[in-house]
Formats: sequence, C-alpha cells, structure tokens
Amino acid sequence: GAGVSQSPSNKVTEKGKDVELRCDPISGHTALYWYRQSLGQGLEFLIYFQGNSAPDKSGLPSDRFSAERTGGSVSTLTIQRTQQEDSAVYLCASSLGTGLAKNIQYFGAGTRLSVL
Amino acid sequence: AQSVTQPDIHITVSEGASLELRCNYSYGATPYLFWYVQSPGQGLQLLLKYFSGDTLVQGIKGFEAEFKRSQSSFNLRKPSVHWSDAAEYFCAVALYGQNFVFGPGTRLSVLP
Repeated sequence: GAGVSQSPSNKVTEKGKDVELRCDPISGHTALYWYRQSLGQGLEFLIYFQGNSAPDKSGLPSDRFSAERTGGSVSTLTIQRTQQEDSAVYLCASSLGTGLAKNIQYFGAGTRLSVL
Repeated sequence: AQSVTQPDIHITVSEGASLELRCNYSYGATPYLFWYVQSPGQGLQLLLKYFSGDTLVQGIKGFEAEFKRSQSSFNLRKPSVHWSDAAEYFCAVALYGQNFVFGPGTRLSVLP
C-alpha cells in the first residue's frame, strides 16, 4: 500500500480480555517497529522486526505483550489479559532497513486502545 | 546513557512569529537526527533528517534544522508560523543499525 496501515483505528475492550493489533507496512520495507504512546507522553519503543525476526524485544513491558511478523510483511501485536494501564495509542512504523539512508521510519495513524 | 531531551514541553507563539524548538542528545557518536510532527489523532510525519554533510537541513512545510556538533543539538526552526503548524513535535535520534530514540515531544500552540 501507499503508507503504513493499522487496524483497528480504535479498540475498546474490557479488562482481562486479549486484543490483537495489526500493522501492514509499506511494501518492500523490511524493518517494522511498534511503539506505545500514552496520553501526553512521548513514544515508548516496544519491539522491532527485521524481516520476520525480532532482534530487539527489550521494550515489551511485560510477558502479556507479544508480537509476530509473518511473510516479512504484516505484523500483529497481541496484548493478553489487558489492564487499564495498557490504554494508549499503539503506533507502527516501517523502514527500508536499518542502514544509512534506509533508517527513516514511516508511521501509521495508530490504534487507540481503551481498556475499561 | 543515551538520551534525547526536548527542554520545552509546551510553546505558544503568535501566527506569523518565528519558532525554534530545541533538541539535545547525549550519545557517544554523532547519530542520525530526525524531526517528526504529529497532528492531533494522526501518526507521525517526517519533517526532515540529518545524516551527514551540510549541517543546515531543509524540510517540508518550510521547516529547517541545524545540527551543531559542539552543542549536541539539532534545533528546529521556522521563520513564520502558520496556524496549521499547531501540533506535537518530536526529535528522534538513531545510531547505525540501532533503534530510534524519541524525545518527549514539544507541544506547539499557535495564537491567531
């Protein structure tokens, strides 16, 4: 597609439920990133994929968070047993790669998650 | 530790006035430098970037930024602000092959 696409754009869920957030990167982009942006806060790095592998999972806040990427394209971020503190905007970005001039991240519009 | 700071949480300027948003970084080497803008309810849009070469870089929407190695700074400027520039601005840095680190952001309000 022309840009990074995220779905759903908004998600309201009950505490304790599992949610899946989807990111469809720009075609041909090998690197994919997930960030979390809480109200009035900056961006918190969650996880990064190069192809289908995740060299850096250091930002995942707990074992309730996981992500996968298949076919070097679409990625899914899963949050199990959601808590109210998980409420935030989840942003996905993609880039051509991580080398010089390729490490420019293009962002999707985000998924706004509200945990009641 | 590596860090990115944006000292101003919120800035208010009048339409037509000049603007400067500050960004400082703390890294062992010169990183790649970026400015992004986020309008309400939107994702982040790249304004400009610096990899090497000319330390004054031009971006979209009339923005420019100057890299100053001696000050570890990459400040964003615009000579005349428009009401549509009201948004959140994020400075970001990255080292080769490593992940972006974003600053906390500066919220810009524009008075008519």
